[in-house]
Amino acid sequence: GAVVSQHPSRVICKSGTSVKIECRSLDFQATTMFWYRQFPKKSLMLMATSNEGSKATYEQGVEKDKFLINHASLTLSTLTVTSAHPEDSSFYICSARDSGQGFGEQFFGPGTRLTVL
Amino acid sequence: AQSVTQLDSHVSVSEGTPVLLRCNYSSSYSPSLFWYVQHPNKGLQLLLKYTSAATLVKGINGFEAEFKKSETSFHLTKPSAHMSDAAEYFCVVFWAGTASKLTFGTGTRLQVTL
Repeated sequence: GAVVSQHPSRVICKSGTSVKIECRSLDFQATTMFWYRQFPKKSLMLMATSNEGSKATYEQGVEKDKFLINHASLTLSTLTVTSAHPEDSSFYICSARDSGQGFGEQFFGPGTRLTVL
Repeated sequence: AQSVTQLDSHVSVSEGTPVLLRCNYSSSYSPSLFWYVQHPNKGLQLLLKYTSAATLVKGINGFEAEFKKSETSFHLTKPSAHMSDAAEYFCVVFWAGTASKLTFGTGTRLQVTL
């Protein structure tokens, strides 16, 4: 099946610094990628939809200047958490939709655990 | 609004006994339906999917689910639970025309005891 990787898997940073998380589709082209945030013992919350070559579409309540998304190629999307604060600590998961798939299936990355001190 | 309901937040079964995780969705037309499993600190792994073909769908690790349009349900079952099945399970729905967005259920934590 299709594989999506995320890097890093875990990151610890100081408050006020920025952190970049990469999401890659390894064996398929993904015109659309998604970024989710998951709080402990909760479901996934969609943050934004990332389309290759265009601006990301953010969900209501998600600060686009705080969570910068870049989808520069058909296999790579990045999420940068700018000026991170402890409340940004969370599990971030990306997913990618195969361009050839018409049924909405998304392939999920393994997630990135962000801890802001 | 479209929604997905997982009726049980927590299910506990003994090893070797059947598993039933319930999922209902609200819609006036047929969606695509998925079950994903998440182990602690891991991403989501697809167990199975329904995309308008056979209503009984077989997935990995012995799981299967039946799409029942009249009941708007897509319950996940397994004849015999294994300790390694202990995880969080999400019922996820995709409706065409929703800008490729998935709608997630709130999740069911499956506990398997000896």
